[in-house]
Amino acid sequence: TQLLEQSPQFLSIQEGENLTVYCNSSSVFSSLQWYRQEPGEGPVLLVTVVTGGEVKKLKRLTFQFGDARKDSSLHITAAQTGDTGLYLCAGAEYRGSTLGRLYFGRGTQLTVWP
Amino acid sequence: DSGVTQTPKHLITATGQRVTLRCSPRSGDLSVYWYQQSLDQGLQFLIQYYNGEERAKGNILERFSAQQFPDLHSELNLSSLELGDSALYFCASSVGPGYSNQPQHFGDGTRLSIL
Repeated sequence: TQLLEQSPQFLSIQEGENLTVYCNSSSVFSSLQWYRQEPGEGPVLLVTVVTGGEVKKLKRLTFQFGDARKDSSLHITAAQTGDTGLYLCAGAEYRGSTLGRLYFGRGTQLTVWP
Repeated sequence: DSGVTQTPKHLITATGQRVTLRCSPRSGDLSVYWYQQSLDQGLQFLIQYYNGEERAKGNILERFSAQQFPDLHSELNLSSLELGDSALYFCASSVGPGYSNQPQHFGDGTRLSIL
């Protein structure tokens, strides 16, 4: 059973379109991180959100942490071909000896066509 | 470049064999994490070491073991390999013992193929 569910699993859009990727869980997380992974490389951290209701912007990317700290979304405005990649969300759960452990969703594979 | 170095990049071996994957963390990072990434399971946490001591354990099989050495590099040992162990194995590092808002920096992984 996956602790974090991401949707959609695959997304194929044209350059210039907007999109939203969702990350949902029934568990509460102390923080949530978004990563992007390209073929042959490891995940690269995009942002960490910590406070319920927090919104962070990174150029054309907007990240939101749900009020209850159980879910998050990533919105991309005017997608570019360089945005293509696997987007992973990861929840950090503070629980005694498992301090710092990250639970990853299975990811959303985004393809942006020219 | 994340600063985390993993070797080898690719490894091909047969069932029943034993392999060792190596990871050098970013300079100054004391924590090392190991993850397994497969198509059906996604990225799964295996184990974490902090300054030489095991800190947290995830879905690591008994056939797998890891350690972190005094120079902070880490090795993941996989034995009695099975076809299902074929996957990408990632190492990540962070500065401290892994507080929830602390970023983890990932290496580029070792692709293990079992024939």
